[in-house]
Amino acid sequence: AQSVTQLDSQVPVFEEAPVELRCNYSSSVSVYLFWYVQYPNQGLQLLLKYLSGSTLVESINGFEAEFNKSQTSFHLRKPSVHISDTAEYFCAVSGTSYGKLTFGQGTILTVHP
Amino acid sequence: DTGVSQDPRHKITKRGQNVTFRCDPISEHNRLYWYRQTLGQGPEFLTYFQNEAQLEKSRLLSDRFSAERPKGSFSTLEIQRTEQGDSAMYLCASSLSEGAGDTQYFGPGTRLTVL
Repeated sequence: AQSVTQLDSQVPVFEEAPVELRCNYSSSVSVYLFWYVQYPNQGLQLLLKYLSGSTLVESINGFEAEFNKSQTSFHLRKPSVHISDTAEYFCAVSGTSYGKLTFGQGTILTVHP
Repeated sequence: DTGVSQDPRHKITKRGQNVTFRCDPISEHNRLYWYRQTLGQGPEFLTYFQNEAQLEKSRLLSDRFSAERPKGSFSTLEIQRTEQGDSAMYLCASSLSEGAGDTQYFGPGTRLTVL
């Protein structure tokens, strides 16, 4: 079985500041790791995922996440946030052959002008 | 690619009534998932279909819940004798099987309110 803990339920930041959203997981098997984003009044969208290879993965809109196996973490970072990054972010893991996702509780990122 | 669609978007019902939700996945996707999301929580897995076969059901899915995916296309999730604890957002997702790292594409969800 897998579990995911997102350590911060809400993260307020000012525009152009850096941000880190923390995610820790536990699993008895190898996992794949995901970050999904939910913008206001929209459905969940994949932001980025780690399957294998380089432990640093990037999204097209400037976010990156690093898989740290020893610390069982997959923290999400962005060096400079925009107002449009305001959303709820979910970390998720999959360890099954068919991709069932186990999600964390979510982190609401609010970017203030 | 029109994305995953769900119908209805909102459903208000009285306790004890039956409700049915529909999910239309992306057309070529062979995998379909149902999740439930309550306020302040992340989505929780309910069930999974590979084509028309239902291959896993969560313990969250009591015997009042049933899901089908006839002919491996759209799927329905029915809740019988609804309870107030069933109030939640019900999410459908689909993917094209490439292994365990598939990207799941989510629909907008059906928000159920049981009075």
